[in-house]
Amino acid sequence: DAKTTQPTSMDCAEGRAANLPCNHSTISGNEYVYWYRQIHSQGPQYIIHGLKNNETNEMASLIITEDRKSSTLILPHATLRDTAVYYCIVRPAGGTSYGKLTFGQGTILTVHP
Amino acid sequence: ETGVTQSPTHLIKTRGQQVTLRCSSQSGHNTVSWYQQALGQGPQFIFQYYREEENGRGNFPPRFSGLQFPNYSSELNVNALELDDSALYLCASSKPQEEKLFFGSGTQLSVL
Repeated sequence: DAKTTQPTSMDCAEGRAANLPCNHSTISGNEYVYWYRQIHSQGPQYIIHGLKNNETNEMASLIITEDRKSSTLILPHATLRDTAVYYCIVRPAGGTSYGKLTFGQGTILTVHP
Repeated sequence: ETGVTQSPTHLIKTRGQQVTLRCSSQSGHNTVSWYQQALGQGPQFIFQYYREEENGRGNFPPRFSGLQFPNYSSELNVNALELDDSALYLCASSKPQEEKLFFGSGTQLSVL
């Protein structure tokens, strides 16, 4: 699986948009970008995933650059409950290892009042 | 709440002992995977079970083994515990071809 690079930590004011970048310059054509987050004392939680088009769901938006070498997760109106470690993961679609995700160190997002 | 439950939530063992951790998958999910998360690190994939057979394994020694039962619940067994086995152990369930995993809250294992 392609390697990802994320900033170690970021801060955001409550109510503002949080923009979390991820670099995945070695991504292959059949690899998706996934985002999970892990709130303290809980297991990781799926947020969103995409291949090359921008995606939006009830939790966040995912913007993938045209060359697919980087992406940005956007939390449009961050709340204190969004404070967590955010993981950007690249994984091939399909295959047999549905349950295998390669986690990096992630970005610690702290949302301030 | 993901519907994936793990037990126990906390466990203390001594070096050399054996431990069994349990996971109940979300309803309708027939694939379960296990992860180890050391303090301050991201989760590391241990292995995956589908239809009661292991079909994917990470870089973990054979003393890490597992089972999946007909009701899709699962166990993780670790023999000859070492101090470095102290970690949060996470279970995740999914359906084949579904693109997201649902994680439990984990079992915190301390090896003394």
